[in-house]
Parts: sequence; structure tokens; C-alpha cells
Amino acid sequence: GAGVSQTPSNKVTEKGKYVELRCDPISGHTALYWYRQSLGQGPEFLIYFQGTGAADDSGLPNDRFFAVRPEGSVSTLKIQRTERGDSAMYLCASSFQANTEAFFGQGTRLTVV
Amino acid sequence: KQEVTQIPAALSVPEGENLVLNCSFTDSAIYNLQWFRQDPGKGLTSLLLIQSSQREQTSGRLNASLDKSSGRSTLYIAASQPGDSATYLCALDTGRRALTFGSGTRLQVQP
Repeated sequence: GAGVSQTPSNKVTEKGKYVELRCDPISGHTALYWYRQSLGQGPEFLIYFQGTGAADDSGLPNDRFFAVRPEGSVSTLKIQRTERGDSAMYLCASSFQANTEAFFGQGTRLTVV
Repeated sequence: KQEVTQIPAALSVPEGENLVLNCSFTDSAIYNLQWFRQDPGKGLTSLLLIQSSQREQTSGRLNASLDKSSGRSTLYIAASQPGDSATYLCALDTGRRALTFGSGTRLQVQP
């Protein structure tokens, strides 16, 4: 596609529910990243994929968070038993390969009520 | 651990003014530095990428410089316009393949 696409753009869920956030990277980009951004702060790294494998998941805050990229393209970030503190903007980025220019999607605004 | 600081946190200027946004970092061992623009409630738009071996990059009215030895980068915006109003973020790639961001400078250009 022309750019990184994230769906949904907004998600409101109840505390304790399970959510999935989707990222469709730029075609041909092998590297994919998930970040989380709280209001007034810069994005914070969650997980990095090179191809299908999670090369670095050191930013995931706890085991309620999990991400997959089964075919090396689309990625899904999964959050179990959501908490109000999970409310944030979730951003996905892709790059042709690691250490090259990163392009971001428009984000998914997650609100846990 | 790499720390990135952006000063000022907020800036308001009249239209037409030239301005400089600052980014400082603690670890000079970087692959590249990227400047982004973020409009309220939106994602990030890449403005400029400076490789570790470069000193500056230019795109239109924007010029970004990099001084690794002093741990600083600046984003210069010439002849500012109301449409430049946004938050500007700098981010460093330290080779661990994830970007480390500053908290951003929120710019308001008054017409």
C-alpha cells in the first residue's frame, strides 16, 4: 500500500476485555515496529519484527501484551484483560530494513473504560 | 541508556518568524536521527533523516543538523506558517533497531 495502515482508528473497550489492533505496513518493508504513546509524551517502543519473527520484544510491559506477524506483512497487537492504564495511542511503523527511515501509521487510539 | 531531551516543550511564534527546535541526547553512538511532525490525535510524519555520517539535511523550509560530539540536533524552520503548527519529535536509532523519542516541542504559529 501507499502508507502504513492501522485499524481501527479508535477503539473503546471495557476493562477486562480482549482487544486486537491491526497494522498493515508498506509493501516490501521487512521491519515492523509497535510503539505506545501517552498524552504529552513521545512514543515508547513495544516490539520489533524482522520478517515473521519478533526480533526484540523487550518493550512489552507485561504478559498481557502479545504481537504476531505470521506472514511477514500484517501484524496484530493483542492485549488481554485490558486495564485503564492501557489507554493510549498505539502506533505502528515500518521500514525497508532495520536502521533505515521509519514510516508511521495514523495510530489506534485505545480507550479502556 | 539513551535519553533524549527536547527544549522548549512548547513554543509560540508569530507567522513569518524563523525558529530553531532543539534536541539533545546522552549517547553519541547512534545510527541515525529522525525528525517527525505530529498533528493532534494523529500519527507521525517523517520530516528529515540524518545518517550518523552526515552533518545536516534540508527539505524545503526545513533544515536539520546533527552534532554527535556534543549530543545535539537542531531543526530550523524558515519563514514559519500557521500550517506548521504541530508537535515536533526527534528520535534516535541507536542500533537496537527501535527509535528512542524525545517528548516533543509543541509549536504554535500565530497568524
